[in-house]
Amino acid sequence: EAGVTQFPSHSVIEKGQTVTLRCDPISGHDNLYWYRRVMGKEIKFLLHFVKESKQDESGMPNNRFLAERTGGTYSTLKVQPAELEDSGVYFCASSQMGVPFSGANVLTFGAGSRLTVL
Amino acid sequence: AQTVTQSQPEMSVQEAETVTLSCTYDTSESDYYLFWYKQPPSRQMILVIRQEAYKQQNATENRFSVNFQKAAKSFSLKISDSQLGDAAMYFCAIMDSNYQLIWGAGTKLIIKP
Repeated sequence: EAGVTQFPSHSVIEKGQTVTLRCDPISGHDNLYWYRRVMGKEIKFLLHFVKESKQDESGMPNNRFLAERTGGTYSTLKVQPAELEDSGVYFCASSQMGVPFSGANVLTFGAGSRLTVL
Repeated sequence: AQTVTQSQPEMSVQEAETVTLSCTYDTSESDYYLFWYKQPPSRQMILVIRQEAYKQQNATENRFSVNFQKAAKSFSLKISDSQLGDAAMYFCAIMDSNYQLIWGAGTKLIIKP
């Protein structure tokens, strides 16, 4: 079984530019989450998709961030325009729909996309 | 609001010895799950162990075990017979009723050969 795949692994852009991060969840996983870790701080929740719908986007920092999940498959996270404080590692995770807290609900993480804004 | 605190930014242990990573948390919920994840230098976040709050028995997974003290809201991770491959960032996390993970700041574990 293929794991959660994230692309790019590392992106370096200048302030004001646009970056799009992509996440391919495990096939059949309806839940998809985005998290980020900024400047060595705690990992913070960004948002949660159930299939193609945004279940919870309370963690999105501002309107410069736009997440989509076309057809309930892969997801993209666009940052436009990027600011210095957006630098960090963006993690994607997926899980099956199932009984809450069951084994099927355990998140599988991708390797993360490191974003550096200069 | 739920919080997770990892008070040890960095820990080191001699290979083959035992190390304990501390984690405390705060929550008002009665039912929740606790997790330890590790992030090796390759940056893949891997689930190490999880604990259901309603279970009194401490979870174990091979060389990894937890000391879950619900009243004290403590959830420490013990790694026995440490191996070089255990070197990683270790994150403690709690899952809330919205199925979000609330994370600690992480502990960097160094294994000395």
